[in-house]
Amino acid sequence: AQTVTQSQPEMSVQEAETVTLSCTYDTSESDYYLFWYKQPPSRQMILVIRQEAYKQQNATENRFSVNFQKAAKSFSLKISDSQLGDAAMYFCAQGGGTSYGKLTFGQGTILTVHP
Amino acid sequence: GAGVSQSPSNKVTEKGKDVELRCDPISGHTALYWYRQSLGQGLEFLIYFQGNSAPDKSGLPSDRFSAERTGGSVSTLTIQRTQQEDSAVYLCASSFGMNGYTFGSGTRLTVV
Repeated sequence: AQTVTQSQPEMSVQEAETVTLSCTYDTSESDYYLFWYKQPPSRQMILVIRQEAYKQQNATENRFSVNFQKAAKSFSLKISDSQLGDAAMYFCAQGGGTSYGKLTFGQGTILTVHP
Repeated sequence: GAGVSQSPSNKVTEKGKDVELRCDPISGHTALYWYRQSLGQGLEFLIYFQGNSAPDKSGLPSDRFSAERTGGSVSTLTIQRTQQEDSAVYLCASSFGMNGYTFGSGTRLTVV
């Protein structure tokens, strides 16, 4: 069975600073995908970033980047130059392989951004 | 449409009643998923439709829950004889390949 663990229920950051959200996962698959989703109070889940496990290069999307450590099964999200609009619940998810599109989500991390 | 549409956005029902939740996925997306999110919790997988294949129902919590997807498009999640523990936000998502899900805004179900 696949599991995804987010060990930080809550995190906070000052506006313009950098914050890192942690995620670890466990899977027996060799080919899989990892995702970070953002859920603001509107409850709309928004895809932040996606990483293919076969790629060694860490994915980046503007101010968002990941640190993917395949051997350690770690997939952290770094948010640079934090903005007030980044405040949300962030979910890490893993899928692919024999599960194909079915994703397993972590419990989420609530991010607060202080002005 | 441009996004995944779910209706209703909110539903209050009495314990013991049946409810139907609707999801209209992005046109061309072959896969459709239902997840449940209880207050302050992560997402719990319910059911997954992929093309014409038999759905993966492994996440349905009881036989009171069922879902169908008609014509490879719109999906309906039905909860029979609702219980208070069914209160949650029900999220639908669709995808094409492994590009990541596009989620709807969810239906908040409250059973009183």
